[in-house]
Amino acid sequence: DAGVIQSPRHEVTEMGQEVTLRCKPISGHDYLFWYRQTMMRGLELLIYFNNNVPIDDSGMPEDRFSAKMPNASFSTLKIQPSEPRDSAVYFCASSSIGNTIYFGEGSWLTVV
Amino acid sequence: AQSVTQLGSHVSVSEGALVLLRCNYSSSVPPYLFWYVQYPNQGLQLLLKYTSAATLVKGINGFEAEFKKSETSFHLTKPSAHMSDAAEYFCAVSGGSGTYKYIFGTGTRLKVLA
Repeated sequence: DAGVIQSPRHEVTEMGQEVTLRCKPISGHDYLFWYRQTMMRGLELLIYFNNNVPIDDSGMPEDRFSAKMPNASFSTLKIQPSEPRDSAVYFCASSSIGNTIYFGEGSWLTVV
Repeated sequence: AQSVTQLGSHVSVSEGALVLLRCNYSSSVPPYLFWYVQYPNQGLQLLLKYTSAATLVKGINGFEAEFKKSETSFHLTKPSAHMSDAAEYFCAVSGGSGTYKYIFGTGTRLKVLA
C-alpha cells in the first residue's frame, strides 16, 4: 500500500510568495496531521483533522498559515505570505483508530 | 496535559555495544507511548508503541522499550548496535485511546562508531 504522499518534496521560494504543500493520506485513515520540524523547535504539531474537519489548530503559528482538507484523500497547508523563518520540513501524517500515525517523507521548504 | 523529555540530544556508541536512549514522560491520564526513528532526509517511522498492554514492548530492528510507571520512563534499548542504527530517535506520548494530540520529544541523534 502507498504511504502518506507529500508534494513537493523540496521547494525554494522567495519571501512574500505563497507556498502550498499537499498531502494524500493513507486510504481509510480518518485522522490527518500537519507537523513542522526545525532544529530550534523540534517537531511541532500545527493542526490535525478528523473526518476532514479541523479539530485542533492551536499549533498554527500565525494567520499566514492555513490548512484545508476538502475530502478524505487530500489536504493542503498554505503559507501566505512566506517568510524566511518558515523554512523547515513540513510533515503530513495520517492515522486511524489504534493511535499509530504514519508520516510522509516531508516537504523541505526554504524561503529566501 | 502531556510532555516528553529525552535526555541527551546526541548519543554515541560503539558497534556491538548496548544502545540506551532515555525518555521520560508526563501525563495526566494513562498514556500511549511511542518511539519513532528518522533516517536522513526521510519521514518518521514507527519503531514500537506501548498502549497499556505488556510493559515490555518489542519493536522492529531489534529494539525494545519498557514502560515503567513508577519512574515515568519509556527508555529504548537494543543489545547490540549496528552501523545502520545511526539515525535520530523520537519519543512521543499521547493521552491514550481517542486522543490524537501526539507530543514529541526533541529527539536523540544516535551515532554508531566502527
